[in-house]
Amino acid sequence: GEDVEQSLFLSVREGDSSVINCTYTDSSSTYLYWYKQEPGAGLQLLTYIFSNMDMKQDQRLTVLLNKKDKHLSLRIADTQTGDSAIYFCLTSGTYKYIFGTGTRLKVLA
Amino acid sequence: KAGVTQTPRYLIKTRGQQVTLSCSPISGHRSVSWYQQTPGQGLQFLFEYFSETQRNKGNFPGRFSGRQFSNSRSEMNVSTLELGDSALYLCASSFREGNEQFFGPGTRLTVL
Repeated sequence: GEDVEQSLFLSVREGDSSVINCTYTDSSSTYLYWYKQEPGAGLQLLTYIFSNMDMKQDQRLTVLLNKKDKHLSLRIADTQTGDSAIYFCLTSGTYKYIFGTGTRLKVLA
Repeated sequence: KAGVTQTPRYLIKTRGQQVTLSCSPISGHRSVSWYQQTPGQGLQFLFEYFSETQRNKGNFPGRFSGRQFSNSRSEMNVSTLELGDSALYLCASSFREGNEQFFGPGTRLTVL
């Protein structure tokens, strides 16, 4: 079946940039989303990109999409301690929603 | 605008029982999706409803079912509960299928 892979952990220093990567297999994916989940909380939509775009910037967040390689990334500029959370990518294809495995981001003060 | 609400927030059941979870989408949203989150399997898509019709379905057994009402509110039902059904069940609403989904806080189900 279709799959979405992410690295399990990422640790960065406060003020640095964070880059979270996601690779997917579903070529029918039309929308690709990034969500943030803090301990004990639900999923917060951060941003999304449509499959005919290759980049989208939204304040501190930059999403890059390489459709040929089926690779999606989320860059967080000037990472803060409040950004510590688990980040999930979600692909939305033809009648399918597939979440990535999640990347736990730890920001060191 | 009020967010997605889910009731109840916590539930404890025993094996063999059945359970019904409820989800009220954001006003104006007509699509509701359900997901199961567990430490072992992560976030898995259960099903999606749009205009009272099931449009998508994930790979879950028939014990998992759902429905959507004319006001877009949705319920999911799990019959003959198993220990492995213990999970956080998340509901998400969107304006229509494929659009950005906004999630509720979830219902934490524990099966003893």
